[in-house]
Order: sequence, then structure tokens, then C-alpha cells
Amino acid sequence: QAQLVESGGGVVQPGRSLRLSCEASGFNFNDYAMHWVRQAPGKGMEWVAAMSHDGKTKYHAYSVMGRFTVSRDNSRNTLFLQMTSPRPEDTAVYYCARVSRQIVVIIDVFDMWGQGTVVTVSS
Amino acid sequence: EIVLTQSPGTLSLSPGETGTLSCRASQTINSRRLAWFQQKSGQSPRLVMSGASARATGIPDRFSGSGSGTNFTLTIYRVEPEDFAVFFCQHYSDSPITFGQGTRLEIK
Repeated sequence: QAQLVESGGGVVQPGRSLRLSCEASGFNFNDYAMHWVRQAPGKGMEWVAAMSHDGKTKYHAYSVMGRFTVSRDNSRNTLFLQMTSPRPEDTAVYYCARVSRQIVVIIDVFDMWGQGTVVTVSS
Repeated sequence: EIVLTQSPGTLSLSPGETGTLSCRASQTINSRRLAWFQQKSGQSPRLVMSGASARATGIPDRFSGSGSGTNFTLTIYRVEPEDFAVFFCQHYSDSPITFGQGTRLEIK
């Protein structure tokens, strides 16, 4: 059964670093673009970053540009989000999500989400 | 970026009733690249509708999506107890992807 499992969340002090992981199983990970999306407590969803299936193209939201970096290791079926200089407003549940179509597109509808990992930025 | 505004914020229905959720975009969404998701408390989102009107796998036909341009609607006919949740829309026409703030469908 295809699934995504996030890990790496926790409490981090402002300005310290944290790396989130999203491990995929049950499908050909290297055929799909992947995204990170977050949901702050009591708030709506916010798109964070995206990466093409081959890792050659990536996008980041303006709110995290220059601080967060998306990457992937297709040999390990894993997507990453490196969070540097996090701020209290980055506190959220972070989800990884898969696009519905293989290879062709990066920006597309999400047909699979992980269960999320909680990040709390606090001193 | 495209701003998506959903209404109402909360919709109270009794099982068996029909409800309509609205998602309005600040600019035209190309090729109807608009999706709806259902999120129950403590769970990750579930895709309900893509391309504005195409039901996702496993979604019953009492869910119906419509609209184009800047105005989109999700209609739920004969609401059942398992339907009560937060619904949010999302566009995927270009970057940045954005989401509506959500409509909470609650039991009346």
C-alpha cells in the first residue's frame, strides 16, 4: 500500500536547524514530484516547497525562501526539508504530499498526504 | 498569488440535507485546476475533487463539484454522518499553490 511517513519534527529554538524527512513506500518515488505543506495551529494550509521527480527543479514559498530548502534522495525514497533559522511563526504540522501524475508536472493536484510531523519553534 | 476565499466559514446541516460550499478566487484559475479536500480532526487531508468536478477515487457520487474562472462550488447531497469535517479548496494552476481557509461542515 502506497504511503508517506514524515519524521524529524520536534521542539526547536529560534535560529537553530531542523531537518524533516518524508519516506515513501509502495510506489515508484522517483516518478513523482513531491511537496511540503504546513498547517499552523488553528489555521489553514500553507504550501511550503516543491521538488521535481528528478530533483532538478524546486520551488519555495516566499515565506521560507532563503531559510528552508527542499531536497530528495531517490535512492532512499525520501524527501527532505532543511529548516534553518526557524521562527516562531514556522510552528505547524508539516505534511509531505505527492502529485497525482508521474514525471510530467511539478505543480499538480495532491493525491496522497502523509500523516504530518509537528514542529514547534520556541525558546 | 491567487487568494482563495471560502464561504461560509461554518455550515450546519442535519444528516440527509444538502449543502453548498463556495470557493472564490482573486483571479481566474486556468484550466479549472481547482481541488477540494476533506480533513477530519487529527487526520491528514483527503482529496475529494480535482479539475473542479472530477471525483477522486472512492468519493461517493453525492459529492459534486462545479465552477470555472473564479467561482467554484462543492455540493454535498444527502449529507451523511461521516461527511462532517473541514473542507478546503486549493488551486494548482501555477506556483505558488494556495489554499482557502476552509469551511467547517458541522452537525446541526
